[in-house]
Amino acid sequence: GAVVSQHPSWVICKSGTSVKIECRSLDFQATTMFWYRQFPKQSLMLMATSNEGSKATYEQGVEKDKFLINHASLTLSTLTVTSAHPEDSSFYICSADRGSSGGSTDTQYFGPGTRLTVL
Amino acid sequence: GNSVTQMEGPVTLSEEAFLTINCTYTATGYPSLFWYVQYPGEGLQLLLKATKADDKGSNKGFEATYRKETTSFHLEKGSVQVSDSAVYFCALRNDYKLSFGAGTTVTVRA
Repeated sequence: GAVVSQHPSWVICKSGTSVKIECRSLDFQATTMFWYRQFPKQSLMLMATSNEGSKATYEQGVEKDKFLINHASLTLSTLTVTSAHPEDSSFYICSADRGSSGGSTDTQYFGPGTRLTVL
Repeated sequence: GNSVTQMEGPVTLSEEAFLTINCTYTATGYPSLFWYVQYPGEGLQLLLKATKADDKGSNKGFEATYRKETTSFHLEKGSVQVSDSAVYFCALRNDYKLSFGAGTTVTVRA
């Protein structure tokens, strides 16, 4: 159990276009999902926290108008990179908190990541 | 704020060698501590965790003990295998957010 999927696994797009990345918890409901960005040979940097039915909370320095997050249901969160530019090229990873009523289980389950390349 | 510092890699070992990856942290309050592993081409997987001081997390022969006095959570394995080749991330969780170390690449040679 506790599987998180991401789609697509990789995407190449032209500069100026928008790209949507989906994150799904396949066998559990996730009240909270997280979006990270990972640069080559570096650690994961938290971009935003996504809560079902409410607006996402963005980390300092992350442009909310550029990285649109929608947590439409308890099993789906989407990240849309708007007007993408080459500097947005990165590995984007989501995770889901398998929280139960009353709070978090203290464990996040990670998706396999999406490689975005902007030409 | 919260931060995690782990030893830089890459680390290259022979099979059956002893592995230690140092990890220290700074945090407010009482964080939970984690080690995640990322195998080539795959997403992060939870390797082990500890939620309070003196707890020992263990899994697949790996161990780490939550040391509050030294703010450390060093990862150890007594005899590594080629299949342990991966990137290892130390992390802490505070206020539902994970903060990661930079990752340590481990390569085990047969």
